[in-house]
Amino acid sequence: QSALSQPASVSGSPGQSITISCTGSSNDIGIYNYVSWYQQHPAKAPKLILSDVSNRPSGVSDRFSGSKSGNTASLTISGLQTADEADYYCSSYTASSTLVFGSGTKVTV
Amino acid sequence: EVLLVQSGAEVKKPGESLRIACQGSGYSFSKYWIGWVRQMPGQGLEWMGIIYPGDSDTTYSPSFRGQVTMAVDMSTSTVYLQWDSLKASDTAMYFCARGVGFWSSSFDSWGQGTLVTVSS
Repeated sequence: QSALSQPASVSGSPGQSITISCTGSSNDIGIYNYVSWYQQHPAKAPKLILSDVSNRPSGVSDRFSGSKSGNTASLTISGLQTADEADYYCSSYTASSTLVFGSGTKVTV
Repeated sequence: EVLLVQSGAEVKKPGESLRIACQGSGYSFSKYWIGWVRQMPGQGLEWMGIIYPGDSDTTYSPSFRGQVTMAVDMSTSTVYLQWDSLKASDTAMYFCARGVGFWSSSFDSWGQGTLVTVSS
């Protein structure tokens, strides 16, 4: 089962907005709205920042937003802060009744 | 507060067996799926599978089926991930996480991770 495709790295300046893409197929992102996004700082456990494409868990900043079009989901971080520097992973439910993660994107601020 | 606490780091030799643990607290343990996620050194996250503590129902990723076994001990609110014969390629950080939403497709609380090192 291949990982969802994400850009290896994305960078931006403080205050700017960046968007991370997550490309899957018609067996996962294309047919389900069960896409999640996670933030992982070095040597830490991942943290859920979005579920079901665009739902923010309680306590997650509204600077994080999500969307989906076709086989591609996207995470946008607005008002970029130095604390946002981390690795970001998407995940999706699949037609095989499994979950698949993205390849990960390193965000540099 | 939902807490998942994992067992400590392990150093093993190839061919040895291993069981690592993930103990849940602060919520109704039997009612939420627990997933396991592997992260090899410097690499991304890989979904290994999930287990439902209420009835031990499990779903494994095709990549991990037959390679690991998930189990649960309801008396101690603990989920286990076990190997019968470790390989050097099993060297990784392993996270447990609580599944929420449709088919537990999101993980809202994570353990701190257990580092497994397999080396001769």
